[in-house]
Amino acid sequence: GENVEQHPSTLSVQEGDSAVIKCTYSDSASNYFPWYKQELGKRPQLIIDIRSNVGEKKDQRIAVTLNKTAKHFSLHITETQPEDSAVYFCAASGDRGSTLGRLYFGRGTQLTVWP
Amino acid sequence: DSGVTQTPKHLITATGQRVTLRCSPRSGDLSVYWYQQSLDQGLQFLIQYYNGEERAKGNILERFSAQQFPDLHSELNLSSLELGDSALYFCASSVVAGTYTGELFFGEGSRLTVL
Repeated sequence: GENVEQHPSTLSVQEGDSAVIKCTYSDSASNYFPWYKQELGKRPQLIIDIRSNVGEKKDQRIAVTLNKTAKHFSLHITETQPEDSAVYFCAASGDRGSTLGRLYFGRGTQLTVWP
Repeated sequence: DSGVTQTPKHLITATGQRVTLRCSPRSGDLSVYWYQQSLDQGLQFLIQYYNGEERAKGNILERFSAQQFPDLHSELNLSSLELGDSALYFCASSVVAGTYTGELFFGEGSRLTVL
């Protein structure tokens, strides 16, 4: 099956700085890469996703980039704010075999934004 | 509100006991997933059902079992409980139609404490 690795496990930044979280995946059948944000005690929620037919997607202060050749994708948060503090999970899924309809999650990154 | 309903929200029980967690997916979603999240751990995939049938199985213990009923709600049964089973159990649902992998919508989770 797919294996998703995520780095770093913890990340501390000053308010206003940028944060980058990186993930790699192993199965070339994966073609859907969402990012979920989980605030303390809450459920994970989708914040942005990208499909393999595009290399970059942006939504206000967050962006995701995908390099299919290298099998890695990254989350970029600019102008970070204290409310961005949360655990972020990357995931991968595909449309065939063991990747069909199933999201494989990374282990998460605890982002802390200091005011 | 994600539209995914999980009950109970909190459950405290003793070792050796058996509990059942219940999940109602979003209206129209055929796929239900169960995830386990222990303290400071990521989202461990347990099992997935699609339209009543088991689709994929992850790191689910033999003491655990699940099913999805004709009305699409799902139950996760945990038996012979051990202290290490204490965790937050999430149910999620998605639209899985053909090759499309939709957003996963998570419920609020069921927090299980085994004493």
